[in-house]
Amino acid sequence: DVKVTQSSRYLVKRTGEKVFLECVQDMDHENMFWYRQDPGLGLRLIYFSYDVKMKEKGDIPEGYSVSREKKERFSLILESASTNQTSMYLCASSLPRGGLGETQYFGPGTRLLVL
Amino acid sequence: SQQGEEDPQALSIQEGENATMNCSYKTSINNLQWYRQNSGRGLVHLILIRSNEREKHSGRLRVTLDTSKKSSSLLITASRAADTASYFCATDASTDKLIFGTGTRLQVFP
Repeated sequence: DVKVTQSSRYLVKRTGEKVFLECVQDMDHENMFWYRQDPGLGLRLIYFSYDVKMKEKGDIPEGYSVSREKKERFSLILESASTNQTSMYLCASSLPRGGLGETQYFGPGTRLLVL
Repeated sequence: SQQGEEDPQALSIQEGENATMNCSYKTSINNLQWYRQNSGRGLVHLILIRSNEREKHSGRLRVTLDTSKKSSSLLITASRAADTASYFCATDASTDKLIFGTGTRLQVFP
């Protein structure tokens, strides 16, 4: 079974702090994604990566950066956390068959509260 | 704008009843997927239907796809309390990324 793990289930940070969210997958998937989920807005793509050291902006990349130094690990970085980044963050991975639209496997999510 | 929009936003039924959720999308697709999310958890893939397929089954799940109407439906038969969750459709638009709808919240009462 594919397993995607996220470093924290719950996180509380202060405004201005630098925040690291880590995601690890164990199925040798090329593609990895970071989403945020907010009530009424569904899932919105922040960044994705289709290979080591490769990254592409999603729909809402402002205020975020990412790092993919190893195939299994994809990190989301909030350079200076703000209260409007309070959200549920979901990481996912997938194989590259047929482009990036194939089945995605999700981690359990990190609920981030920025005070 | 969202590629997929689910309808209804919320649905409450009794155990044993069938639950039907609909998804509409705007542009042509290669495939459409349905995912489930239990409260406060990650999404779990349920079923994928390709653009050249019209119907697909998996256990108590039945998915239909009408590309002429740009719509899909998910039917859960003989629902159980454990089916209580949010259900999302996801489409691969021209950018090849998945675009998720806002979901249908299903509540199944024992």
